[in-house]
Amino acid sequence: GENVEQHPSTLSVQEGDSAVIKCTYSDSASNYFPWYKQELGKGPQLIIDIRSNVGEKKDQRIAVTLNKTAKHFSLHITETQPEDSAVYFCGPQGNTPLVFGKGTRLSVIA
Amino acid sequence: DAGITQSPRYKITETGRQVTLMCHQTWSHSYMFWYRQDLGHGLRLIYYSAAADITDKGEVPDGYVVSRSKTENFPLTLESATRSQTSVYFCASTEVGSPLHFGNGTRLTVT
Repeated sequence: GENVEQHPSTLSVQEGDSAVIKCTYSDSASNYFPWYKQELGKGPQLIIDIRSNVGEKKDQRIAVTLNKTAKHFSLHITETQPEDSAVYFCGPQGNTPLVFGKGTRLSVIA
Repeated sequence: DAGITQSPRYKITETGRQVTLMCHQTWSHSYMFWYRQDLGHGLRLIYYSAAADITDKGEVPDGYVVSRSKTENFPLTLESATRSQTSVYFCASTEVGSPLHFGNGTRLTVT
């Protein structure tokens, strides 16, 4: 089955700095690459996604980059704010049942 | 309103009891999933369903039973609860190539 790894597991940044989280996957059939944000007491919610025919996608302060050859995609958050503090999950989708990375706890220090 | 709802939100039960967690979605999504979330393990897939009457095991199916007689419902049953099943359970739904929509979870404590 799909093997998904996410790094780092925890990340602390000063407010205004950038944060990068990387997700590596094993299923070469994966063709949809979403990132989810989970706030305390809630289920994960999609924040950005990218498809396999695109290398980068940006939405305001959030961007996702994809390297299909190397089988990894990354979440980039610029100008971090306290409300960015949460747990982030990657969940690449392909032919195998949906498996997530173990999550990255991001703390933005004001 | 369209969405995915889980019930109950919180549940405390005793070891050996049967417990059913409910999940209902209003989008008519084909796929539905059950995950459990434990500290240090992230989201682990228990069972999933590709359509009504079609279910399949995920990473950690032991001790759980699912059914999907209707597209919109996907209940998860713990036939004889154990303390190791204390967790937060999330239901999700989607279509192929689309993001998952998660419920807000059920926090289950087995004493």
